[in-house]
Amino acid sequence: IVLTQSPGTLSLSPGERATFSCRASQSVGSRYLAWYQQKPGQAPRLLIYGASTRATGIPDRFSGSGSGTDFTLTISRLEPEDFAVYYCQQYRSSPPMYAFGQGTKLEIK
Amino acid sequence: QLQLQEWGAGLLKPSETLSLTCGVSGGSLSGHYWSWLRQTPGKGLEWIGEINHNANSNYNPSLKGRVTILTDTSRNQFSLNLTSVTAADTAVYYCARGLGRLHCNGGTCYSPPLNWGQGTLVTVSS
Repeated sequence: IVLTQSPGTLSLSPGERATFSCRASQSVGSRYLAWYQQKPGQAPRLLIYGASTRATGIPDRFSGSGSGTDFTLTISRLEPEDFAVYYCQQYRSSPPMYAFGQGTKLEIK
Repeated sequence: QLQLQEWGAGLLKPSETLSLTCGVSGGSLSGHYWSWLRQTPGKGLEWIGEINHNANSNYNPSLKGRVTILTDTSRNQFSLNLTSVTAADTAVYYCARGLGRLHCNGGTCYSPPLNWGQGTLVTVSS
């Protein structure tokens, strides 16, 4: 399982829209695709699972979409606390295995 | 409120065994999936393995043969052992609880890590 995220770094301003891409090396069941946010010195935080379902407590400005090999995380209107690194994660059921993309850093422009 | 806390030796020599424990408070081990993950600047986030509600474990194939994850229900904790460590095993190690048994197949379920510990740095150096 190889997940490739793009871009490596995204420079945007608060209030703007952010779009993150995750491409899988082979077709992935969309129900097995998740997105995480990580801030410096903190553990990752689950944002989205099943490609599009927000985890409990995640604001609705975060949304996920995609199928097959191409998935997208969108933040509709950036808040100051959204600047962080974002990872996609894929699960394979046989044998069980989770893999992460290399991450996209969202920085303040 | 669920809390997870990792502890164990932070400095190891090559060929030694890494042993970490994750203490769970505010919740029971029963019925959940419990994972170990690690993070390095070079390789990013890596899933090490998990143990599930039936005490069945699954491991990252790249580490298989060196990894053991066990639960201790009497103490409400679970552990990670990684043998024959090298400098490549230097990382921040996290324990985590899965979101739930979302999709199950052949006795194992998709349960993306939801609740994470704060992480503990393990350095392997001679």
